[in-house]
Formats: sequence, structure tokens, C-alpha cells
Amino acid sequence: GEDVEQSLFLSVREGDSSVINCTYTDSSSTYLYWYKQEPGAGLQLLTYIFSNMDMKQDQRLTVLLNKKDKHLSLRIADTQTGDSAIYFCAELGGATNKLIFGTGTLLAVQP
Amino acid sequence: SAVISQKPSRDICQRGTSLTIQCQVDSQVTMMFWYRQQPGQSLTLIATANQGSEATYESGFVIDKFPISRPNLTFSTLTVSNMSPEDSSIYLCSGRGPGNTIYFGEGSWLTVV
Repeated sequence: GEDVEQSLFLSVREGDSSVINCTYTDSSSTYLYWYKQEPGAGLQLLTYIFSNMDMKQDQRLTVLLNKKDKHLSLRIADTQTGDSAIYFCAELGGATNKLIFGTGTLLAVQP
Repeated sequence: SAVISQKPSRDICQRGTSLTIQCQVDSQVTMMFWYRQQPGQSLTLIATANQGSEATYESGFVIDKFPISRPNLTFSTLTVSNMSPEDSSIYLCSGRGPGNTIYFGEGSWLTVV
């Protein structure tokens, strides 16, 4: 079955870069997504990447996809305290057409 | 980006009662989904809301407990029936828009006492 894994916690200093990693098992995934969830809020779509791409950049965000290793990462440049949140990766199954979420990574930004 | 509105945003409910959550999306959305997020957990898909027909439920979720309607393209409801404290969760509506963008509402935070 489909499975998406993330590390649970990441702590960085303000101004540094953050890299949040994700691995998935479904080789037929078509799209991969990154969402941000702040305390008490819903999910905000940050960015997403088509599975035949290997990189996508959007302002401070860079997504890298290694399809061979089924590894996805989100790099946040110049991390700010407002970036503190839980970050979820999710993959859209090619066969199931359903969005499967990772466990979420809590990003803590130290001033 | 697609606009997805849910209500209520929060509620405290008595055990044994039922609550209906409403979701309104804008016209860009083609598919609608309902998710549950239990405290401190990730999101789990409850069902796909199908326009004008019965929803498609995931393993572990049944229509009697979570009846879903989608009478038109832009509106859906999820009812949480005969609630128990284990149903205390965030319930999120989701919509798929152009280019496979998938957006979420702000969620409905339910506490069952």
C-alpha cells in the first residue's frame, strides 16, 4: 500500500535554511505536494510538483524530487519565525487518484 | 487559488448527538473530499463526495456514521452521527482544482463531551 514518511521534528535558527524530507512508496505517484499547518488553522498549499520534474522553485521555497529513490524535499531559504508550523508532504497516487499524507514535520524556528 | 469555506469552524457537542458540517467551494473545483485529522495526527481520507450520488468511502469509514451529500458541484455536507469523544477531531473539506491543485478549508474543530 501507499506510505509516506517524514521526520517528526526539525529545529533551525532564524535566517538559516530549513530542509524537510519526505519518502514515499508509490512509484506511480503523479503529483507531490507540500502543505503548511499553523496552530489552530487548516492546511495551506505551499507548492506542488509533477512527478516527471526534479526541481521547482517558488520564491523562498525549493522542492527537489528524486523519483528513483522516491524522495522529496522542501527547502526554505532564510527561515523566519513565521515559518514555524507543521509541514506535510502528500502524494497523489497514480492508481488510486487519492491524496495520501505523510506524518508531518514540526519546524521550530529559534530567534 | 480555489476558495473553500467550511462551517462551523468550531463546536462542542454532546455525546450521542449528530452534527452536520457544510463546505462551499468556488466553481474551479471539480472533485471534493472529506478528511479527518485526529489530535496530533496526520490527515486521513474519509470519503470522496460525488455529485448527485453516494459518496465513495475509505476503509474504516461507513455511510451510517459519516453520511455525505453533494447536491451540486460546489456544495457538500458531512454529518458526524451519534458522536462519541473518539470523534473529537478536525474535519477538513478539500477540493481539487485546475492543474491538480488541491486546496483545503480551514477545518471544523469538533470536541465531543
